[in-house]
Amino acid sequence: ETGVTQTPRHLVMGMTNKKSLKCEQHLGHNAMYWYKQSAKKPLELMFVYNFKEQTENNSVPSRFSPECPNSSHLFLHLHTLQPEDSALYLCASGLLGVKEPQHFGDGTRLSIL
Amino acid sequence: QQQVKQSPQSLIVQKGGISIINCAYENTAFDYFPWYQQFPGKGPALLIAIRPDVSEKKEGRFTISFNKSAKQFSLHIMDSQPGDSATYFCAASKGAGNNRKLIWGLGTSLAVNP
Repeated sequence: ETGVTQTPRHLVMGMTNKKSLKCEQHLGHNAMYWYKQSAKKPLELMFVYNFKEQTENNSVPSRFSPECPNSSHLFLHLHTLQPEDSALYLCASGLLGVKEPQHFGDGTRLSIL
Repeated sequence: QQQVKQSPQSLIVQKGGISIINCAYENTAFDYFPWYQQFPGKGPALLIAIRPDVSEKKEGRFTISFNKSAKQFSLHIMDSQPGDSATYFCAASKGAGNNRKLIWGLGTSLAVNP
């Protein structure tokens, strides 16, 4: 139990589908992150939320849309994805002011057909 | 262009041996160097971290050695065990406030043979 729970663990979707990834943490952290992990590439930070406010968007395509309704929940809405978006999507949480994430979830393995 | 270069890409060690993973960086603005451990099917977990004002940090069997002048840091796993088999990532942080960035290495896949 990592303290950060991601659902679903696996997702297969077509390029025209719309789906959402969910992340939940009950560690009392107030910063949440979305990362993309692809083979042969460094971990890529996608979005950062501090106290529900988005503080970072690393030039992520608009087909990825994050949502943070409160400091315990984070969503990543997906639509019209491309095959190169197939990857492991990791959610993480941490303390405000500490940019290095403290706890990661186990990720959602996303495959785009 | 990789800002944090990690080597080797993969490593095989016998049980009881010492595993050594190296990382190098160019930007002297980095001020925090964490290591993460990732098991198959799991997310990365913060393992140990060091700041550049110390040359070594030890936590159990895990030690970070830091060479500021050479801009290199390494992870040593003493008495390596099969349960240590995982992918290890070094990283480096720089910047302040919302401009703070964490740059990751490409990872080292460690296999410890029983």
